[in-house]
Amino acid sequence: DSGVTQTPKHLITATGQRVTLRCSPRSGDLSVYWYQQSLDQGLQFLIQYYNGEERAKGNILERFSAQQFPDLHSELNLSSLELGDSALYFCASSVVEGREAFFGQGTRLTVV
Amino acid sequence: DQQVKQNSPSLSVQEGRISILNCDYTNSMFDYFLWYKKYPAEGPTFLISISSIKDKNEDGRFTVFLNKSAKHLSLHIVPSQPGDSAVYFCAASAEFGNEKLTFGTGTRLTIIP
Repeated sequence: DSGVTQTPKHLITATGQRVTLRCSPRSGDLSVYWYQQSLDQGLQFLIQYYNGEERAKGNILERFSAQQFPDLHSELNLSSLELGDSALYFCASSVVEGREAFFGQGTRLTVV
Repeated sequence: DQQVKQNSPSLSVQEGRISILNCDYTNSMFDYFLWYKKYPAEGPTFLISISSIKDKNEDGRFTVFLNKSAKHLSLHIVPSQPGDSAVYFCAASAEFGNEKLTFGTGTRLTIIP
C-alpha cells in the first residue's frame, strides 16, 4: 500500500460526459502528479501541483482540468469525453518535487 | 520529444541470472533518476533511485548504474526471480524547472523459471 488513494477504481461512462477522478496523497506529501497510461503504453505526464499551486503541465487536453485543494487532495476533471480518453489515470505524490513519487492504484476509465 | 528512452520493449531472462534494463536520456538538466516496477492493473511501485552526484546505488538485489557522459542508466537485478516479471519504467527529473518525473516507455521483463 503506497498510501496514495484514488477513487473510483473503475469508471464507465458515455462519450460527451464529464467525470471527476479523486486523489488523496500520502500524509505529508505536498506534490501531486497526474499521469495517463493508455493501452499498456508509457506514463504520460498530465499535470503537477505543489501545495495547491499548479507547477507543471504536460500534454493535458483543454477538456481536462485539475486542482489541488487546501487539504491537499486533488481532483482531475475530464469533460466532453471521447473514446480515446479511455485509459488508466494515475495519481502520485511526493514530499519533494521531482523525487521519489508514490503512486495510487489508478482509476480505469472506459468511455463507451 | 521523448526525453527518456527505453529502447528494449521486452526482455526475457532465466531465473537466477542477471537482468539488465537500460535507459537513455537526452535532457542534460536531469539530475535525478528513478526506476519503477509495474504489475498489470496496479500503480507503479518505486524501486530505486540515484542522484547525478553518484554513479552507482545498491539496494538488495537491485543496483542502478549511471553514466552521465553517455546519458545512460541501467538497472541490474541479480539474481532474477519469477516475481520480478513486470514492466520496468525509468524516470528522470531536474532540480530546477523540470521537477516532474518524466518516464520512459517501459521494458517488459519476463523471468523464465
